[in-house]
Amino acid sequence: ELKVEQNPLFLSMQEGKNYTIYCNYSTTSDRLYWYRQDPGKSLESLFVLLSNGAVKQEGRLMASLDTKARLSTLHITAAVHDLSATYFCAVGSPNAGNNRKLIWGLGTSLAVNP
Amino acid sequence: NAGVTQTPKFQVLKTGQSMTLQCAQDMNHEYMSWYRQDPGMGLRLIHYSVGAGITDQGEVPNGYNVSRSTTEDFPLRLLSAAPSQTSVYFCASSASGGGGETQYFGPGTRLLVL
Repeated sequence: ELKVEQNPLFLSMQEGKNYTIYCNYSTTSDRLYWYRQDPGKSLESLFVLLSNGAVKQEGRLMASLDTKARLSTLHITAAVHDLSATYFCAVGSPNAGNNRKLIWGLGTSLAVNP
Repeated sequence: NAGVTQTPKFQVLKTGQSMTLQCAQDMNHEYMSWYRQDPGMGLRLIHYSVGAGITDQGEVPNGYNVSRSTTEDFPLRLLSAAPSQTSVYFCASSASGGGGETQYFGPGTRLLVL
């Protein structure tokens, strides 16, 4: 059974600092997704990572995937207040084919303080 | 382009009542899914569909029914509401479920069962 773990679950950081959120998963998969959710809002796609070694960057966020270690990271560079949100990773279940079933982490609640 | 729409936005039910949560997308996506989001539990897949006439169960299907008569619509039916079904429900769609595609989420339906 695929399990997805994120850590930390809560993160308070200062503006201008760097930090990394980790997403570990328990069985083989080569599809990993990062989403952002603002309080009371829906989910917004950030990154889709499809292969070992994949790295994608958008603004102050960079995501990477190591399928051998079953680990993805979301790195935040020089954080700003607008990045405050909850970040989720989701992994495609290997038993269902493609991304037909996604198993989600519990999310990392990020607060960026002045 | 409306994307993924959900109705209603809020609903209060009494235990035992039935209702249908509506979901529609105008992107001609084959894959649609329903999730529930509960505090501390992340997102859990209820049911999904890979095309009109084809549905399958996710992680937590009990108490919910779905059907997919058209590409555009994917309603979720609560047969006899229970307090444990109090949650925020999200509908999502993607192009074909063939892997690597972004899932687009609707705005969500907040359901309270008394």
